[in-house]
Amino acid sequence: DVKVTQSSRYLVKRTGEKVFLECVQDMDHENMFWYRQDPGLGLRLIYFSYDVKMKEKGDIPEGYSVSREKKERFSLILESASTNQTSMYLCASSPYPSRVSYTFGSGTRLTVV
Amino acid sequence: GQQVMQIPQYQHVQEGEDFTTYCNSSTTLSNIQWYKQRPGGHPVFLIQLVKSGEVKKQKRLTFQFGEAKKNSSLHITATQTTDVGTYFCAGQRVTQGGSEKLVFGKGMKLTVNP
Repeated sequence: DVKVTQSSRYLVKRTGEKVFLECVQDMDHENMFWYRQDPGLGLRLIYFSYDVKMKEKGDIPEGYSVSREKKERFSLILESASTNQTSMYLCASSPYPSRVSYTFGSGTRLTVV
Repeated sequence: GQQVMQIPQYQHVQEGEDFTTYCNSSTTLSNIQWYKQRPGGHPVFLIQLVKSGEVKKQKRLTFQFGEAKKNSSLHITATQTTDVGTYFCAGQRVTQGGSEKLVFGKGMKLTVNP
């Protein structure tokens, strides 16, 4: 089974901190994605990557950046955390081509105080 | 850009009832996928539909892809408390960069009265 592991289940950070959310997958998938999930808004794509060092903005990239130095790892960076970034963050991966299912990690619930 | 709309957004049913939820796209989809997220969990892939008019069944769940490949439905027969969760549909979209990614609907949250 494909496993997508997110490093933290719960995280509390202060406003203005730089925050790193880590995601690792173990099935050699080319594509990796970061979503945030908020009540009533569904899953919104922040960034995705289709190869090492390649990235593409999703629908809500403002305030975020990403890093993919190795194929198995995709990091989401909040440059200066703000309270409106309090959310559930979900990482997903899929093989290329992407017309196949996504596998999601368990999520990181981030609270910015 | 392409949007995927799910209706209704919330559904409350009595255990044992049947119900249907719908997913509509503004553009033709190459395929559609359905995911289920249990309370406190993460989305888990259920099924993918590719062909026009395709119907697939998983026990009490029936998935259908419209003839025009712009809409899909999920029908649950004899709902059980184990069906509780949020159901997402997702359609493929080609980005400006030429890559493909899924566009998710906002989800349909199902609650069941035992």
